[in-house]
Parts: sequence; structure tokens; C-alpha cells
Amino acid sequence: DSGVTQTPKHLITATGQRVTLRCSPRSGDLSVYWYQQSLDQGLQFLIQYYNGEERAKGNILERFSAQQFPDLHSELNLSSLELGDSALYFCASALGLAGGETQYFGPGTRLLVL
Amino acid sequence: AQSVTQLGSHVSVSEGALVLLRCNYSSSVPPYLFWYVQYPNQGLQLLLKYTSAATLVKGINGFEAEFKKSETSFHLTKPSAHMSDAAEYFCAVSDEANAGNMLTFGGGTRLMVKP
Repeated sequence: DSGVTQTPKHLITATGQRVTLRCSPRSGDLSVYWYQQSLDQGLQFLIQYYNGEERAKGNILERFSAQQFPDLHSELNLSSLELGDSALYFCASALGLAGGETQYFGPGTRLLVL
Repeated sequence: AQSVTQLGSHVSVSEGALVLLRCNYSSSVPPYLFWYVQYPNQGLQLLLKYTSAATLVKGINGFEAEFKKSETSFHLTKPSAHMSDAAEYFCAVSDEANAGNMLTFGGGTRLMVKP
């Protein structure tokens, strides 16, 4: 158990809909990362927050957005869903911003868009 | 930009045999390198990481990896495979050229262990 929790575990929805994925980092961790794992794209970094502020952006679509709240939990919002958004979405947390810090991964949310 | 190449999307070994999973990276500055393992329907678990200390890094479950700058490699080895090692393995790189220290992953190698 990494100490990172993600809800829900599974999500099935239809094209055009909007969903919210939730992540609670390990106690004491200030950085939260979101990654997408799909068969065709592999594991890709989406976005990072540090202590409530957006820190870095990767290959995140404009239809996707995220935020980190004062209690440090984070939410990833996916809207106007398409079939190709079906994937496993991971949240990871780390203590801060130091180079080489270990990122601890949650169990993921499996999203299926029908 | 940093990148990672894992040679061999599938590797099959017999139980008790040597495990060798290959990883080559590209980074414009000294890298931090990681190996993660993913068991079916689970998240990623850190096996080991290189952060510019010793070039030979020992990790959990008997795995180790050697950082070779001249070869831009960070191959993962284990002397004797167990059935429980069957999983997908990901090599990843980060460096301080990126503001957030995000990880760039290779495509993964699925390790199969035959009895």
C-alpha cells in the first residue's frame, strides 16, 4: 500500500459526458502528479500540482483540467469524453520538488468511455 | 527533451534464470533514473532509483541496476527469476531541466517466468 488513494476504482460513462477523478496523496506529500496509461500511448504525464499551485503540464488535452485543494487532495476533471479517453489514470505523490524524489503511485482509476 | 527506450516489450525466462531488462535513456542534463513494477490491476511500485550516488543500485526483491553514462543505459537485472516476478516493468527518467521533475516512461517490458 503506497498510501495514495484514488476514487473511484472503476468508471463507466458515455461519450460527451464529464467525470471527476479524485486523489488523496500520502500524508505530508505536497506534490501531486497525474498520469494516463493507455494501450496506444503508454504511460504519459498529464499535469503536476505543488502545494495548491499548478507546477508543470504535459500532454494534457484542453478538455481535461485539474486542481489541488487546500487539504492537498487533487481532482482531475475530464469533459466531453471521447472513446479514446478510455484509459487507466494514475495519481502519484511526492514530498516536494527535489530532483530524484520518489513518486508514490495510487492504484489508479480505470475509465471506460462507451 | 528526455526519453526512454526499453528494448523488448516482452521477455520470457525460466524460473531460476537470469533476468535482464534493458533501458536506454536520453537526457540533456544528468538524469535521475527509476525502475517501477506493475502487477496486474495494481499501481506502480518503485523497485529502485539512481540519483547520482553509487552507479550500482540495489532495490527490492533482489533486483539491481547499473547506471552506465557512456552507454546511456540503466539495465535491470536479477540473478534468479521467481514466478512472482511476472509483471510489467517500466523504466523512467526525470531531470532538473523539467520544473516539476515529472517522470518520462519507457514503453514497458512484460516479464513472463516459465516454470
